[in-house]
Amino acid sequence: DTGVSQNPRHKITKRGQNVTFRCDPISEHNRLYWYRQTLGQGPEFLTYFQNEAQLEKSRLLSDRFSAERPKGSFSTLEIQRTEQGDSAMYLCASSYGTELFFGSGTQLSVL
Amino acid sequence: EDQVTQSPEALRLQEGESSSLNCSYTVSGLRGLFWYRQDPGKGPEFLFTLYSAGEEKEKERLKATLTKKESFLHITAPKPEDSATYLCAVQDDRGSQGNLIFGKGTKLSVKP
Repeated sequence: DTGVSQNPRHKITKRGQNVTFRCDPISEHNRLYWYRQTLGQGPEFLTYFQNEAQLEKSRLLSDRFSAERPKGSFSTLEIQRTEQGDSAMYLCASSYGTELFFGSGTQLSVL
Repeated sequence: EDQVTQSPEALRLQEGESSSLNCSYTVSGLRGLFWYRQDPGKGPEFLFTLYSAGEEKEKERLKATLTKKESFLHITAPKPEDSATYLCAVQDDRGSQGNLIFGKGTKLSVKP
């Protein structure tokens, strides 16, 4: 499968715990994005990498969120001290041109 | 502030009954307008990019059109497998590539 891969598919955690998600983009894509989607809403932009450089962060990305893309390959999104409001689908996308290609997402449930 | 409004929120069609989905947008400058299809529990699947008013693109039973204020996704003779949520998104020419503003989507159900 040469699409965008996200792991895990589902994550259940208790409030206050830290969680980390991984995204493997399409191999020839130099741009990588993280979005968040809640039920009944469209995806919301969180952050954007070009190669290993994080070029833009949304105001939605609080201090508890951090994203990395070491060596410009895979990316991780970490949420510290999770809150119930963090429950959502976390989507990763990659691109080479203008079209974004999304993975299947990680569904986070914070209890 | 950039905005995207999709209508209707939900649409039920009989198989073969053609219809259109609407996406109204407000941006300072449009870099591109995107249509995606999303199945339950999955990420959005790219369908079309439109860049300028008057542009049209087609793929199987789907046709997307663009004016200066809105885009339509026309579905001709839909089949049950076309059932999904259709998302519209815009990219402002001031923002970085990939910072898309999405609408809430139109949930399409096609009954056999």
